[in-house]
Amino acid sequence: DAGVTQSPTHLIKTRGQQVTLRCSPKSGHDTVSWYQQALGQGPQFIFQYYEEEERQRGNFPDRFSGHQFPNYSSELNVNALLLGDSALYLCASSSWPGEGRQYFGPGTRLTVT
Amino acid sequence: SQQGEEDPQALSIQEGENATMNCSYKTSINNLQWYRQNSGRGLVHLILIRSNEREKHSGRLRVTLDTSKKSSSLLITASRAADTASYFCATANTGGFKTIFGAGTRLFVKA
Repeated sequence: DAGVTQSPTHLIKTRGQQVTLRCSPKSGHDTVSWYQQALGQGPQFIFQYYEEEERQRGNFPDRFSGHQFPNYSSELNVNALLLGDSALYLCASSSWPGEGRQYFGPGTRLTVT
Repeated sequence: SQQGEEDPQALSIQEGENATMNCSYKTSINNLQWYRQNSGRGLVHLILIRSNEREKHSGRLRVTLDTSKKSSSLLITASRAADTASYFCATANTGGFKTIFGAGTRLFVKA
């Protein structure tokens, strides 16, 4: 049974560019959440998708957008990249309703130069 | 702002010793969870304790929850070098739509 997968593993982009990160949830899970983790910090909640809709959003600008597909996989898009967007981006899946236990992917390391 | 705040920020112990980490949070919760992260990789769920529970065990892990003080502690007994990692507490809003993580405790276990 495959766990949560993310692609790509690493990515280097230039300021002002756009990036798309991808996530496939654990089998049987219908909810995907995205997090940004800066070096030495805890994960910061970006948003959560359920039934192809953004259900909850954290304190992130509109440059961060997402999508969930009918097969529950998800994409995170970031436009107009800033140096401060350099971070580890984590995808987590869960099943709703539930207690909030999440299964995390290995993350995508984004570096903005 | 962070919902959960871990204490201490860093902890260094010898193999075989116990490690205790504390977490404080700000609002009412349905449950509190602890996660482990090795070297900037994905997080691994360790244990979940519900708001009506006071203590929970899983292998070498013991978690306590004091809702009156809005605090939790994670005890790792007989630590091993493989326990070296960052540990985070996390709380979710009603329905589990949004999970808030603390800044984490970095545990280093010396062999």
